[in-house]
Amino acid sequence: AQSVTQLDSQVPVFEEAPVELRCNYSSSVSVYLFWYVQYPNQGLQLLLKYLSGSTLVKGINGFEAEFNKSQTSFHLRKPSVHISDTAEYFCAVEPSQGGSEKLVFGKGTKLTVNP
Amino acid sequence: DGGITQSPKYLFRKEGQNVTLSCEQNLNHDAMYWYRQDPGQGLRLIYYSQIVNDFQKGDIAEGYSVSREKKESFPLTVTSAQKNPTAFYLCASSIFWRANEQFFGPGTRLTVL
Repeated sequence: AQSVTQLDSQVPVFEEAPVELRCNYSSSVSVYLFWYVQYPNQGLQLLLKYLSGSTLVKGINGFEAEFNKSQTSFHLRKPSVHISDTAEYFCAVEPSQGGSEKLVFGKGTKLTVNP
Repeated sequence: DGGITQSPKYLFRKEGQNVTLSCEQNLNHDAMYWYRQDPGQGLRLIYYSQIVNDFQKGDIAEGYSVSREKKESFPLTVTSAQKNPTAFYLCASSIFWRANEQFFGPGTRLTVL
């Protein structure tokens, strides 16, 4: 079975500062990795995903993430955040091979961007 | 516009009552999912359906029931057997099972008084 650990439950930053949201996973098989964003009182929206190929993945809204297999990490980064990036971010993992294994979400990181 | 609708947005019920949450999608997706979200707990899978007329229990199915009689609809019933039903409930769909992207509805916040 897979598991996801988001190392920070809350991350406060100032506007225009860089940010990194950390995600580590555990799995005995190869995986697909995802970051979703949830704005207050809304559903989730896919930011980016790693399926295969280049380990640096670019997503929407200027976010990117790097898959590091040796460190089993998939950290999310943005070089300069905006107030509108204030939201909760979820890392998720799924086995890359078929079967009944389901998408597993981390507990989320609340990003607060202050002026 | 294609998407997923959930209704109502807010729902209040008395303890001991069953309540049904609606989820409808017009994306022509085969797979649908129900998640429960509690503060600091992330999303936990309640039930999922890979195709119409089929569904399976997720990680926390006790006290919940679903049906999938139509491709576009996947209602969730929270029964009186659910010990702590107050939560934010999210419905999602994907074009097929394990399709690498799930699309989420806006959620229903259920409060049991």
